[in-house]
Amino acid sequence: KNEVEQSPQNLTAQEGEFITINCSYSVGISALHWLQQHPGGGIVSLFMLSSGKKKHGRLIATINIQEKHSSLHITASHPRDSAVYICAVSSNTGNQFYFGTGTSLTVIP
Amino acid sequence: KAGVTQTPRYLIKTRGQQVTLSCSPISGHRSVSWYQQTPGQGLQFLFEYFSETQRNKGNFPGRFSGRQFSNSRSEMNVSTLELGDSALYLCASSLTRKNTEAFFGQGTRLTVV
Repeated sequence: KNEVEQSPQNLTAQEGEFITINCSYSVGISALHWLQQHPGGGIVSLFMLSSGKKKHGRLIATINIQEKHSSLHITASHPRDSAVYICAVSSNTGNQFYFGTGTSLTVIP
Repeated sequence: KAGVTQTPRYLIKTRGQQVTLSCSPISGHRSVSWYQQTPGQGLQFLFEYFSETQRNKGNFPGRFSGRQFSNSRSEMNVSTLELGDSALYLCASSLTRKNTEAFFGQGTRLTVV
């Protein structure tokens, strides 16, 4: 069983739609990270969360520590949001990440 | 402030050869961790270095090794390359070991032929 489960695996949305990506984890964590990976490989860290909610522009990330669940929301989606979104947790035993399999998002104009 | 720099960006090697990849973390960051990304397995943790010491190791064979220098730059080495080692190798740097944001490099794409 994977330590981090993400859903959905693939998502296609029309421009302007509200998007939600979910992440559940089973290990003890010090923080949860949402990452964005564009074609070509480079990974950008979008959020690091250990509790509550964070917002950057049109992106919102929430975490429920008791339920071991996090969501990434994109409001007013845009084609430039098309990327793979990866949920990762850093274990509470050191700086080791466990990764979800990623959600491939395509936003159609 | 310069980001995480990985070199080389692309590499083609032959089975049986060995390869060394380099990662320069953000200035002041002392923790460097390495990951392998393949289409079949996704992202998997290789190892973590902090203050020149390996602190954590993932489930990879001994052919995969690494080290960290006093300036926090890190190298990883893969010996006796196999076709299955073809992957994107990413490193991430962070200020300390826990509760700090990780910054990823662009990765080194290794192809073994």
